[in-house]
Amino acid sequence: SQQGEEDPQALSIQEGENATMNCSYKTSINNLQWYRQNSGRGLVHLILIRSNEREKHSGRLRVTLDTSKKSSSLLITASRAADTASYFCATTFTFGSRLTFGEGTQLTVNP
Amino acid sequence: DTEVTQTPKHLVMGMTNKKSLKCEQHMGHRAMYWYKQKAKKPPELMFVYSYEKLSINESVPSRFSPECPNSSLLNLHLHALQPEDSALYLCASSQANMGGARNEQYFGPGTRLTVT
Repeated sequence: SQQGEEDPQALSIQEGENATMNCSYKTSINNLQWYRQNSGRGLVHLILIRSNEREKHSGRLRVTLDTSKKSSSLLITASRAADTASYFCATTFTFGSRLTFGEGTQLTVNP
Repeated sequence: DTEVTQTPKHLVMGMTNKKSLKCEQHMGHRAMYWYKQKAKKPPELMFVYSYEKLSINESVPSRFSPECPNSSLLNLHLHALQPEDSALYLCASSQANMGGARNEQYFGPGTRLTVT
């Protein structure tokens, strides 16, 4: 499968702590994106990092990309209860035309 | 306006019914997508339209029939569905340049479909 794999599958932390989620993939990519999905709702785009970028920030989000290891991480700093959601990485392969989602990480932030 | 709207929010249909899901966006995006998502699983791509033409069909059964009447609207016509087709159906749109999928996608809230 060319789908990304994410770990952990589930993560439970306290408010104020940092949350780190990892994503691995198998083939060369054009870009990697992270999305958030609140329970039963649509996905919200968080951040896109291109294959020639190594790190990107957006507010409390920090994404890294290591193309040599075919992996990415999403760090959410100073987490809030409202960050509780499923987080998916999604990749566009170099010669592909579709977005392929990883299995997702379910993040629970306890007040 | 960065919103993608989908109607209806919920749909219950029998296996002999014909129904349609609707999706609309006014962001000027020329790529639109249908995804199917089962509980606790990632979205699975079904169809991609680029400039109102079907560009990708992920071997979806013919009981699902997509339609793109214009650049703002995307429909998914449903006929003779099976109970295993029950899922959340998500519509998304994006800029179509650079292959569409290379751009961020904006998702609608989805239609929760139950086939009885």
